[in-house]
Amino acid sequence: DTEVTQTPKHLVMGMTNKKSLKCEQHMGHRAMYWYKQKAKKPPELMFVYSYEKLSINESVPSRFSPECPNSSLLNLHLHALQPEDSALYLCASSQDAGAGRAQHFGDGTRLSIL
Amino acid sequence: GENVEQHPSTLSVQEGDSAVIKCTYSDSASNYFPWYKQELGKRPQLIIDIRSNVGEKKDQRIAVTLNKTAKHFSLHITETQPEDSAVYFCAASNRERGYSTLTFGKGTMLLVSP
Repeated sequence: DTEVTQTPKHLVMGMTNKKSLKCEQHMGHRAMYWYKQKAKKPPELMFVYSYEKLSINESVPSRFSPECPNSSLLNLHLHALQPEDSALYLCASSQDAGAGRAQHFGDGTRLSIL
Repeated sequence: GENVEQHPSTLSVQEGDSAVIKCTYSDSASNYFPWYKQELGKRPQLIIDIRSNVGEKKDQRIAVTLNKTAKHFSLHITETQPEDSAVYFCAASNRERGYSTLTFGKGTMLLVSP
């Protein structure tokens, strides 16, 4: 079965903290994505990695820093976040970033900025 | 860029009734149309998808239809059950900057009453 695992499930941090979100998949997928989802809204694309290379950055503020250490792992490093950054952060993966590839989501990290 | 409109925003039905959710898209280059179900506090779950070379696809109680000429696609759920209650998102995919990305509709909250 398809599975994307994200840790932690919940994270509360202050505006001066540094933390990281982690995402892992073992489906051999070569495209991975970060999305931000606010309550009652659709997921909003932040970053696309294709074959471990950052391919799309949707003009995300530099306080969000993605990293793809290998084909199975995707991190999102957080620093100096603002209260409006509180949201559900979803990771997804697909076979690759080609046409018509199904994206499968993890359960997300619910982030609260104090 | 792509724009996806989704209607209705809320849909209430009685158990056993059918439910239909409609989406329109703007970019004729879009070629892949997934539907996601998101229960409260959970991840978006891919429930069915359709590619642009197909007009209809069924999977048990759910079906999706696609009209490329009119640029609209619909989700049909028959014999609805309370566990179908969730937010449903449609999406359209095309190759943005060489990589396939998803543009989501704003979502439909489906409420199935016993």
